[in-house]
Amino acid sequence: SQQGEEDPQALSIQEGENATMNCSYKTSINNLQWYRQNSGRGLVHLILIRSNEREKHSGRLRVTLDTSKKSSSLLITASRAADTASYFCATAGSGTYKYIFGTGTRLKVLA
Amino acid sequence: SQTIHQWPATLVQPVGSPLSLECTVEGTSNPNLYWYRQAAGRGLQLLFYSVGIGQISSEVPQNLSASRPQDRQFILSSKKLLLSDSGFYLCAWRRTGGDEGYTFGSGTRLTVV
Repeated sequence: SQQGEEDPQALSIQEGENATMNCSYKTSINNLQWYRQNSGRGLVHLILIRSNEREKHSGRLRVTLDTSKKSSSLLITASRAADTASYFCATAGSGTYKYIFGTGTRLKVLA
Repeated sequence: SQTIHQWPATLVQPVGSPLSLECTVEGTSNPNLYWYRQAAGRGLQLLFYSVGIGQISSEVPQNLSASRPQDRQFILSSKKLLLSDSGFYLCAWRRTGGDEGYTFGSGTRLTVV
């Protein structure tokens, strides 16, 4: 079964605007990660947030985690056309070897 | 530095034919290795993972199998492909014992006709 569900499924914004994507999951996790996938390519790891962290930053990316609501959000600030891609969250429970991916948000940034 | 190689990039195979996709990792030892499948416009489905040579865990019963004949080699196989096996297959690795992210290969687009 799918552990993570991203919301929205698709998002279209203008260059320079901020993009926010959300991820909800079902069971307790050890950490949550966000990945990016350009069309027809492999996934690229963006950022990892541990279950005892609430917020993390990396460049123009900001990730929050609310374990009480079993949800996370990814904010991309000052978006660029090159940010156009699909974004996935992935979660792993404590002591597991595997990450379960959500269904992804397709982001389109219009120049 | 570590690199992951996955091939071929694209593959068109007839129904009933065999399949062998190969993935190799360089620059690390004893990695955890994974095969995922992605249907068009969908998320990733974990198919198999391996924590060591000869150790394979299957997540979804299906027409596929996996093997790890060497520490840094992971192979996805099928004896007879079905139309439903079409998809984008991704190999990934991560460090044993760590909670880092995956590093993914570039993927294989398989079309069964």
